[in-house]
Amino acid sequence: RKEVEQDPGPFNVPEGATVAFNCTYSNSASQSFFWYRQDCRKEPKLLMSVYSSGNEDGRFTAQLNRASQYISLLIRDSKLSDSATYLCVVTQVSGGYNKLIFGAGTRLAVHP
Amino acid sequence: NAGVTQTPKFQVLKTGQSMTLQCAQDMNHNSMYWYRQDPGMGLRLIYYSASEGTTDKGEVPNGYNVSRLNKREFSLRLESAAPSQTSVYFCATRRDYEQYFGPGTRLTVT
Repeated sequence: RKEVEQDPGPFNVPEGATVAFNCTYSNSASQSFFWYRQDCRKEPKLLMSVYSSGNEDGRFTAQLNRASQYISLLIRDSKLSDSATYLCVVTQVSGGYNKLIFGAGTRLAVHP
Repeated sequence: NAGVTQTPKFQVLKTGQSMTLQCAQDMNHNSMYWYRQDPGMGLRLIYYSASEGTTDKGEVPNGYNVSRLNKREFSLRLESAAPSQTSVYFCATRRDYEQYFGPGTRLTVT
């Protein structure tokens, strides 16, 4: 079983739609959680951290459910520029080192 | 500030050839990383360097070597390239939990 699992998509949505992605993680000891965004043929960049109480950044809302070991990202009022792959990232301590585990990503395509 | 830079951007190798991927950062971060990214798989850590003078294996180190030349530079070497090493390679630094990636090197081994 993968340590971080995401639906690869693609999610094809019209502009203005609301779309949600989930991500599940296998290690209950994971402490920190993030969403990264990766544009086609570019490097990943941090989109937002995910806090236990849930957090919002403009049109983006991230939530964490520790009991069920999943993280979600909600995008409201989708824009064409939101088209990208969204990577779920969790931290895991291994050999005294706090490493980042990346999911394979969920692809979002927003169309006019 | 350039952030994290990588050279080359693209490379085609024949099986058995060697090459070194270069990475440099001007962010003054202590830790540096090499990842590979393959379709359908998450970024996988090859090697990392927590600070100048130290290097450690990641998840998929076989077939690779690294050198942390100084605080700024961290290179990845393929001694004898294999088709299974066809991938996109990203160098990264890290501050707290945020990873800063270079633009990537697309490597094809034929």
